[in-house]
Amino acid sequence: GESVGLHLPTLSVQEGDNSIINCAYSNSASDYFIWYKQESGKGPQFIIDIRSNMDKRQGQRVTVLLNKTVKHLSLQIAATQPGDSAVYFCAENMGSGGYQKVTFGTGTKLQVIP
Amino acid sequence: GAVVSQHPSRVICKSGTSVKIECRSLDFQATTMFWYRQFPKKSLMLMATSNEGSKATYEQGVEKDKFLINHASLTLSTLTVTSAHPEDSSFYICSASRESDNEQFFGPGTRLTVL
Repeated sequence: GESVGLHLPTLSVQEGDNSIINCAYSNSASDYFIWYKQESGKGPQFIIDIRSNMDKRQGQRVTVLLNKTVKHLSLQIAATQPGDSAVYFCAENMGSGGYQKVTFGTGTKLQVIP
Repeated sequence: GAVVSQHPSRVICKSGTSVKIECRSLDFQATTMFWYRQFPKKSLMLMATSNEGSKATYEQGVEKDKFLINHASLTLSTLTVTSAHPEDSSFYICSASRESDNEQFFGPGTRLTVL
């Protein structure tokens, strides 16, 4: 899995601009990836997911790109809004034995500048 | 949507006491529930996985006698922090998954402070 850093990397973005949050994963056997948004003092909130047989998936204002060759995942947020300010985690799902074990990445703090 | 609740949302206790945290799936049956721990500005670390009616599976380094997990029904799992110490202070988050899909639904978390 991914190591936990000493502090969260921060991405500052002007309101209205697009945001790109990157994530590297380590397990080439992972077949399902999820992006979560976590606001201060709250639990993670599902944003979008992607399976390993896809390289791109779009939602409302969000797009996830998966590059299995370099084990890289990105989350693109279009027209970033102040309400997007939060910590974003990528997670990989390594399901086995009938249940799904989700391993979270380090996380990136997104700060939207009004 | 699938909703998961946690109770209490915040608890302060004295060192040496035990604290129980409840995790409930409100509108679905959760075949599997997960317990995570999160330190400030850090990621979520999986503590244990529990399936209804069976013993929890603990991650490496997590003391099963310290963190007691019970999953007595398809809608309720409890985490009991026994003989709590200040280093147990953390944000504890549960999640629940249905048998039908891979998605985990997260609770709002419980802030534990041990004095």
